[in-house]
Amino acid sequence: LAKTTQPISMDSYEGQEVNITCSHNNIATNDYITWYQQFPSQGPRFIIQGYKTKVTNEVASLFIPADRKSSTLSLPRVSLSDTAVYYCLVGDLLYSSASKIIFGSGTRLSIRP
Amino acid sequence: GAVVSQHPSWVICKSGTSVKIECRSLDFQATTMFWYRQFPKQSLMLMATSNEGSKATYEQGVEKDKFLINHASLTLSTLTVTSAHPEDSSFYICSARWETNTEAFFGQGTRLTVV
Repeated sequence: LAKTTQPISMDSYEGQEVNITCSHNNIATNDYITWYQQFPSQGPRFIIQGYKTKVTNEVASLFIPADRKSSTLSLPRVSLSDTAVYYCLVGDLLYSSASKIIFGSGTRLSIRP
Repeated sequence: GAVVSQHPSWVICKSGTSVKIECRSLDFQATTMFWYRQFPKQSLMLMATSNEGSKATYEQGVEKDKFLINHASLTLSTLTVTSAHPEDSSFYICSARWETNTEAFFGQGTRLTVV
């Protein structure tokens, strides 16, 4: 399983764009990159997933360089409700539903008015 | 997205008793379910992986006789904390996936307090 490294915490203000970078130097060929969001006392919620280049959905964008050794979650125009812990996960999820989903330490994002 | 429901959302039990937590996939058949525990200000720690109809695979350091996992059907997995002690107080979260899907869906979590 590829190990991931993220900043422990980040602060930003409402209306700003927030970029959270995750390092995964040992990513394998079959690994996908997935980001989850977790609010206090709730289970994690899927945000976005990608394999290479750029993926965008209604919530965020995920940028993955060609070497795939890192990825950046981009949250446009954050609001107070985006205050949460964000986890970057890397794993071979496509070929086996039993592949483990291991969480790293996550990034605690705090949004201020 | 698919829905995973945990029950109860919170439970308080006396030390020495057992507590059962249910995890249900409401609109899909889960070939694999995962159980995590999370202490305050910490990340989720994987406890075990279970596949329907087979024994759970526990992570190193997790006592399988203390944390009994049953995955009797494709929509239900249960975690039983046996002879609970205060140090077992934690937030327990389950997740579920189906074959060929790359996303895992998580329950809302169960707050266990042992007094």
